[in-house]
Order: sequence, then structure tokens, then C-alpha cells
Amino acid sequence: QVQLQESGPGLVKPSETLSLTCTVSGDSISYYYWSWIRQPPGKGLEWIGYIYYNGNTNYNPSLKSRVTISLDTSKNQFSLKLNSVTAADTAVYYCARETEVAGTWPHYYYYMDVWGKGTTVTVSS
Amino acid sequence: DIQMTQSPSSLSASVGDRVTITCQASQDISNYLNWYQQKPGKAPKVLIYDASNLETGVPSRFSGSGSGTDFTFTISSLQPEDIATYYCQQYHNLRTFGQGTRLEIK
Repeated sequence: QVQLQESGPGLVKPSETLSLTCTVSGDSISYYYWSWIRQPPGKGLEWIGYIYYNGNTNYNPSLKSRVTISLDTSKNQFSLKLNSVTAADTAVYYCARETEVAGTWPHYYYYMDVWGKGTTVTVSS
Repeated sequence: DIQMTQSPSSLSASVGDRVTITCQASQDISNYLNWYQQKPGKAPKVLIYDASNLETGVPSRFSGSGSGTDFTFTISSLQPEDIATYYCQQYHNLRTFGQGTRLEIK
């Protein structure tokens, strides 16, 4: 059974860099898309970005200038860095696996089928 | 960017009711739409992928339909355990979630 676990500091100072790691157990990280999603208190879900197992990345345009997602296959982990944080970056951060399923050629389905439990990050001095 | 607009933003219904949530995309996204359920304090869970496909293990009272820009999510007979917030999400271009629909029991 695949499990994802987020880890990292729960408190980050304004203007500093938020760094989180997602550890994948029960399966190899060397396939699938690996995503980060966040949820500010009392608000909806916001997709941050993903990394493919080959290292290709895509980011939310609204965060692209501040975000880096990377992969460490030797540790079966992927990571999120968000720099120059403000109070608006306070949120629960989730990591998730996105599965690619072949449909009728050339169609592929993509959906986030395994999620971590989430970790709360507060930006405050 | 593709914007996803859900309606209503909140909904109150009785056990056994048929519940419908709509999701509209700002441009044609074909069938590239998923539906998620999020219970309080928990991570989201996928229910429907590619607009109408039921994820394995999800009860058959949940269903989805639509294509292009207009999509519908339906619970055929509301159960107490269905109390949650529901999100649509497109994957035609990057990923975008709708703002969510909070479902309560009347």
C-alpha cells in the first residue's frame, strides 16, 4: 500500500524559504507524477506544481517565480521549496501521487489517487 | 489559465436526497475533469476521474457527467457519511481546482 508523508518546519519567517519533503513508501518514486497542493485556512485547494519521475516539472503560473520541486530517487522522496514567503503562504501543504492511465488512444487520464495527510505551515515572525 | 467555477458554494440536503453540483470551465477541457471529496481535517479523495469514471471502491451512488465546459457531479441518495466539501479539478492544461462545494445535512 502506497503511503505519502510530508515533513518540514511548521513555522517559517516572512521573506524566508519554505522547504518540505514528501517521503513515498510502498512503491517506487521512479514512475508517476508527484504533486504539491496547498489549502489556506478555511479556503479551497490550490495546485502548486508537479514533477514527473524523469525530472520534468510544471508549476502554477501564479507561484512559478517562487517555486522549485525536485526529486531524490535514492531516498524515494520529492521536495518543495517556496521562497520569499508571506503570511498568504500559510496553509496545509499536501503531497500527492498523480496516476496516468491510458484510455482510448491518444487519450490519457490523470488524477491524484494517493495523498499525504498534510502538514501545516505558518508564516509568521 | 483555465478557471473552474463550481455551484453552489454550499448546499444543505436531507438524507436520501439527490444532490447535484455543477462545475464550469472557462474554456473547453474535453473530459479532462476529476471530482474529489474532502472531509474535515482530512486529505482529499478522488471519486470520479475523466468526468464520468468511478474510482475503484467508490460507492455507485456517486456519478459524474459532462464534457467541454459544463460538468455535473451527482449523489443519487445522500448518506450521512457524504458530508464533505467537493471539488472539481481540470487537467487539460496544468491543474486547477474549483472553489469547492460544502455539503451539509439538513
